[in-house]
Amino acid sequence: QSVLTQPPSVSGAPGQRVIISCTGSSSNIGAGYDVHWYREFPGTAPKLLIYGDSNRPSGVPDRFSGSKSGTSASLAITGLQADDEADYYCQSYDNTLTVVVFGGGTKLTVL
Amino acid sequence: QVQLQESGPGLVKPSQTLSLTCTVSGGSISSGDYYWSWIRQHPGKGLEWIGYIYYSGSTYYNPSLKSRGTISVNTSKNQFSLNLTSVTAADTAIYYCARLVEMSTPSGSYYFDYWGQGTLVTVSS
Repeated sequence: QSVLTQPPSVSGAPGQRVIISCTGSSSNIGAGYDVHWYREFPGTAPKLLIYGDSNRPSGVPDRFSGSKSGTSASLAITGLQADDEADYYCQSYDNTLTVVVFGGGTKLTVL
Repeated sequence: QVQLQESGPGLVKPSQTLSLTCTVSGGSISSGDYYWSWIRQHPGKGLEWIGYIYYSGSTYYNPSLKSRGTISVNTSKNQFSLNLTSVTAADTAIYYCARLVEMSTPSGSYYFDYWGQGTLVTVSS
């Protein structure tokens, strides 16, 4: 069981907007620790998509955006494309466990 | 462009020690700006952080490893390594090395900006 909770799957049609949620607690997201998001294609390493709640590394299109409120965070993907189909993970830090923690991952399917 | 590459045996017998090395190119481990980390992913499961090392040799480990893990650094070769002792089938996973960034925010958040390709380690007799 992951410390951060993500829906196992989400789906959307090309061109649509999807949101992936990441729910934590008062010892991680709720404690003010930033949330970061990664995308993982099968057989490849995760790639950083969003850091510091809402910042995009160079090269990541602005179709990807992150937000945080209270003990939860969200990754929004607009203008859905077929090659957005992948697994998405959120990550933060937990001050009770004193470790970096990940969500269980969300599989995005483009219909 | 920073690149990380894991290397090591893909098969380890139960009760033995898993040993992996991560070679960093395009940047120096000794720069002191980052931490160097290991993460693993059990088959079909999520990601688990193992621990990190700083170029000076200071380390921190996930308590869930119950002191079985040791991370070391060789700055002359720009490499860092993971040893995991007394392995069982539960240690079968894809092992990734990654560069860990500490954000300059009051909360001191951390994220991974570069990852290796990952290497599958199977624990089996």
